[in-house]
Amino acid sequence: QVQLQESGPGLVKPSGTLSLTCAVSGGSISSSNWWSWVRQPPGKGLEWIGEIYHSGSTNYNPSLKSRVTISVDKSKNQFSLKLSSVTAADTAVYYCARAHYDSSGYYYSSWGQGTLVTVSS
Amino acid sequence: EIVLTQSPGTLSLSPGERATLSCRASQSVSSSYLAWYQQKPGQAPRLLIYGASSRATGIPDRFSGSGSGTDFTLTISRLEPEDFAVYYCQQYGSSPAFGQGTKVEIK
Repeated sequence: QVQLQESGPGLVKPSGTLSLTCAVSGGSISSSNWWSWVRQPPGKGLEWIGEIYHSGSTNYNPSLKSRVTISVDKSKNQFSLKLSSVTAADTAVYYCARAHYDSSGYYYSSWGQGTLVTVSS
Repeated sequence: EIVLTQSPGTLSLSPGERATLSCRASQSVSSSYLAWYQQKPGQAPRLLIYGASSRATGIPDRFSGSGSGTDFTLTISRLEPEDFAVYYCQQYGSSPAFGQGTKVEIK
């Protein structure tokens, strides 16, 4: 069973860059899945940030595209998120997730536990 | 961009009752690309339904999904105590997006 685990700083200063990594275990990041980031501000709903395929192909939320970079490290079986120029509005629980995408649909079959990132000076 | 609107915002019901949650899309969504998740406080979302009506592995048969086009429904036939949570629908059109959620609370 695939498991995902987020890691990274829990506190980022305004105007700085948020950096998170998601380690994948129990399966290969080179499998036929898209590897995604989703966030959830405190007390609010879910927002898709973006995704990456093991080939390096990426898709980003248009509202965040100018500030987001997602990369993959196949040698370490992990993928990463960078979000630049952060403000308090970027304070959220950040989840990594495995997206299943084929003729049966597009859905998130596995999720990390989530990590809270607070933007504050 | 396809926007999903869930209703009601909050559903107050008692254990044993039937819950009917709605998810309406701003434009037609392929049924293959409509999913439902359950989220409890402090936990990650859990996949319940994919392809609008297929139950994910390990999901009890009291959960069912239906719908097509712009109108989709998640039904919980008889609420168990562990079913009180927030439910999200999610679509994949030009890009993935979630509804704002429906909270099912104990009446």
